[in-house]
Amino acid sequence: DTAVSQTPKYLVTQMGNDKSIKCEQNLGHDTMYWYKQDSKKFLKIMFSYNNKELIINETVPNRFSPKSPDKAHLNLHINSLELGDSAVYFCASSQESILAGEQFFGPGTRLTVL
Amino acid sequence: DQQVKQNSPSLSVQEGRISILNCDYTNSMFDYFLWYKKYPAEGPTFLISISSIKDKNEDGRFTVFLNKSAKHLSLHIVPSQPGDSAVYFCAARGSTLGRLYFGRGTQLTVWP
Repeated sequence: DTAVSQTPKYLVTQMGNDKSIKCEQNLGHDTMYWYKQDSKKFLKIMFSYNNKELIINETVPNRFSPKSPDKAHLNLHINSLELGDSAVYFCASSQESILAGEQFFGPGTRLTVL
Repeated sequence: DQQVKQNSPSLSVQEGRISILNCDYTNSMFDYFLWYKKYPAEGPTFLISISSIKDKNEDGRFTVFLNKSAKHLSLHIVPSQPGDSAVYFCAARGSTLGRLYFGRGTQLTVWP
């Protein structure tokens, strides 16, 4: 049973298109996140939701819009894709009542914009 | 604003020896520090953490040491095994709910 799953694993698309990445966690966690790992390998947080409420919203273009229909899902929609959006996107979840609040990551979605 | 730094992009160690991975941070308000391990084409997996009020935490072959005065932590793996070959990320938890700051990662290669 996969704890944090993402679909699709690979996404190749043209500039200007709109695409979505889906994330689901079956751990019963109350917080979910989206991270971007760029070509320099930095893992940077983009958004986090706690009980469906937006908590962290980093300086990302407003072409990126997260949507949390329920606690177990956090989807990422990207409008008007640009070449610079090419990266690996990771979804993660955590339970904030756990002391260190360690986050569990999905396998990643490699987005390539042509 | 790189608040967590891993200055060694790679480390190569012989099987059975000790691997020491280092991490420096700048923000004294971080309350937890975590290490993650990542294999190619997979997401990072949690390895071990340490509270800012401790100076050592041990879990099997993995030990994390924290030196708050130097704002430095290290992960020791003893003995190193070929299966430990992966990218290791250091992370620190800030005050915002769940916010983690990651280092750039160190590629560990354990050779037989």
